[in-house]
Amino acid sequence: AQSVAQPEDQVNVAEGNPLTVKCTYSVSGNPYLFWYVQYPNRGLQFLLKYITGDNLVKGSYGFEAEFNKSQTSFHLKKPSALVSDSALYFCAVSGLMYSGGGADGLTFGKGTHLIIQP
Amino acid sequence: SQTIHQWPATLVQPVGSPLSLECTVEGTSNPNLYWYRQAAGRGLQLLFYSVGIGQISSEVPQNLSASRPQDRQFILSSKKLLLSDSGFYLCAWSVFLYTEAFFGQGTRLTVV
Repeated sequence: AQSVAQPEDQVNVAEGNPLTVKCTYSVSGNPYLFWYVQYPNRGLQFLLKYITGDNLVKGSYGFEAEFNKSQTSFHLKKPSALVSDSALYFCAVSGLMYSGGGADGLTFGKGTHLIIQP
Repeated sequence: SQTIHQWPATLVQPVGSPLSLECTVEGTSNPNLYWYRQAAGRGLQLLFYSVGIGQISSEVPQNLSASRPQDRQFILSSKKLLLSDSGFYLCAWSVFLYTEAFFGQGTRLTVV
């Protein structure tokens, strides 16, 4: 079974500082990794994904994430935080089997509240 | 481009009343469709998913059911709502089960 862990319920960062939201995963087969953002009373918005290739992937709104296979991590980063980045962030994983073509759908972490202080 | 529509945005229903939430996707064919529930602004619980018309997979036993009468239409229903059915319901679609999903704006359901 696949799983995602977001170890921090909340991350506080001062505006202008770099931010990191942590995510680790467990999956059989090749991992497909995703980050989403959710604003209050809204649906989830897709930010970025890792499928294969360069370990550093860039996404929307200046966010990027680094895939680390040895640490099974996919941390979300941004060089300079904005107050408008304050939201709930979800990491998700899916797995494509090495053989047989089977796949598991998305499994989401519990979310991390990111609070950017002015 | 693809869009997903989910309605209504908010709903207040009495205990024991029926429920019907509708979700439609435009701009794509044969999408995978999903219903999630989110409690208290935190984690997502997958309720149902569908890989094709009439094909519904249930992830958790509960008071809800889902149907897919058309390729791009996904409906979440209940015959009799319980207080515990209150929550934020999200519809989503994806091209494949393992690729990114795109979400609707959600329905806030309050059962009173």
